[in-house]
Amino acid sequence: DSGVTQTPKHLITATGQRVTLRCSPRSGDLSVYWYQQSLDQGLQFLIQYYNGEERAKGNILERFSAQQFPDLHSELNLSSLELGDSALYFCASSEDRVGSSGANVLTFGAGSRLTVL
Amino acid sequence: GQNIDQPTEMTATEGAIVQINCTYQTSGFNGLFWYQQHAGEAPTFLSYNVLDGLEEKGRFSSFLSRSKGYSYLLLKELQMKDSASYLCAVRDLGDYKLSFGAGTTVTVRA
Repeated sequence: DSGVTQTPKHLITATGQRVTLRCSPRSGDLSVYWYQQSLDQGLQFLIQYYNGEERAKGNILERFSAQQFPDLHSELNLSSLELGDSALYFCASSEDRVGSSGANVLTFGAGSRLTVL
Repeated sequence: GQNIDQPTEMTATEGAIVQINCTYQTSGFNGLFWYQQHAGEAPTFLSYNVLDGLEEKGRFSSFLSRSKGYSYLLLKELQMKDSASYLCAVRDLGDYKLSFGAGTTVTVRA
């Protein structure tokens, strides 16, 4: 158990629908990152939140949005789903404390597998 | 990190050594990471290099040359459980996120 919790583990839905993926970071970690991994694709960075604020944005579609709540858990909302959105969605967390040095390793959750039919 | 290149697949025999190369281009380098990912599972952290040289951790070692934009992960005494995808990732200066390569699938044969 990495300490990063993602729900649901599996989700099957239809095109045009909307889903919400949830992530609880490791205790003490302030940053949450969302990545998408499609079949035979590398991990694609979507978005990062730090202590409730958006810090960095990657290749995230306009149909997707995210937020981080005061308790530091995060949600990724995917709307108007298309077949191509079928993928593994990973959440990762890291400490990212101001003035911290070292590797600042990203720790990944087990992922949410989304299937759009 | 941009343009992170690593071989797609490698095959090796149990007990052997395999070296996975990774080249990268970045405007400002702030660390290179290797992760292991078994199919359908979460990536797990293996190693971190920010200075040139070799970092050894048990059967796994990672090397970095910043001037060449090059790293390798060395897996020694291969075991069947080492069959997995190995991901090279780079952090840019001023960034916290990691940019990942497409991964190298290593198959260990008996």
